[in-house]
Amino acid sequence: GDSVTQMEGPVTLSEEAFLTINCTYTATGYPSLFWYVQYPGEGLQLLLKATKADDKGSNKGFEATYRKETTSFHLEKGSVQVSDSAVYFCALWDRDDKIIFGKGTRLHILP
Amino acid sequence: NAGVTQTPKFQVLKTGQSMTLQCAQDMNHEYMSWYRQDPGMGLRLIHYSVGAGITDQGEVPNGYNVSRSTTEDFPLRLLSAAPSQTSVYFCASSYSRMSNQPQHFGDGTRLSIL
Repeated sequence: GDSVTQMEGPVTLSEEAFLTINCTYTATGYPSLFWYVQYPGEGLQLLLKATKADDKGSNKGFEATYRKETTSFHLEKGSVQVSDSAVYFCALWDRDDKIIFGKGTRLHILP
Repeated sequence: NAGVTQTPKFQVLKTGQSMTLQCAQDMNHEYMSWYRQDPGMGLRLIHYSVGAGITDQGEVPNGYNVSRSTTEDFPLRLLSAAPSQTSVYFCASSYSRMSNQPQHFGDGTRLSIL
């Protein structure tokens, strides 16, 4: 079945560092891809999405590009802030009406 | 804007007790789903519904029941609570099952089974 694999955390960076969180997927066809963010004590919120190959999703300085050839959707940000500390989830819709999530990557940003 | 509302926020049960976790959305969303979140496991789908009167099983359905009698509500029932069901439960909804639709999540119910 379809699956999502993302890098294990925690990831610890200093403020203003460059961030990459890797995400790769296995799926039949070309699913829509998503990144969600979860702040402490809250539910998940949509961060960005891409619906077809070569699409770039972006929001709040975060970006991710749908790469069909490498089946990847890596999350990047040029300069992280302490407020970006959270858990990040990569996800896709599969062909059976289900959303498949990765296991999440916890990000710590040090001031 | 209420969005997705889950009640209760916290609950402690004894093994063998039953309870219902409530989920309601006010966005007229067709698609609703329940997940459990456990450390190191990410989110795992329990049950989902593509519309009123229609439900289906996800990855980890055993020990849970759902129904969808209205568009707005999607309650999750624990039939006989077990310590393995200690988890944080999230309800989510989206406008439809079309694959470009993002999910809207509630704030979760933290459940402990003693």
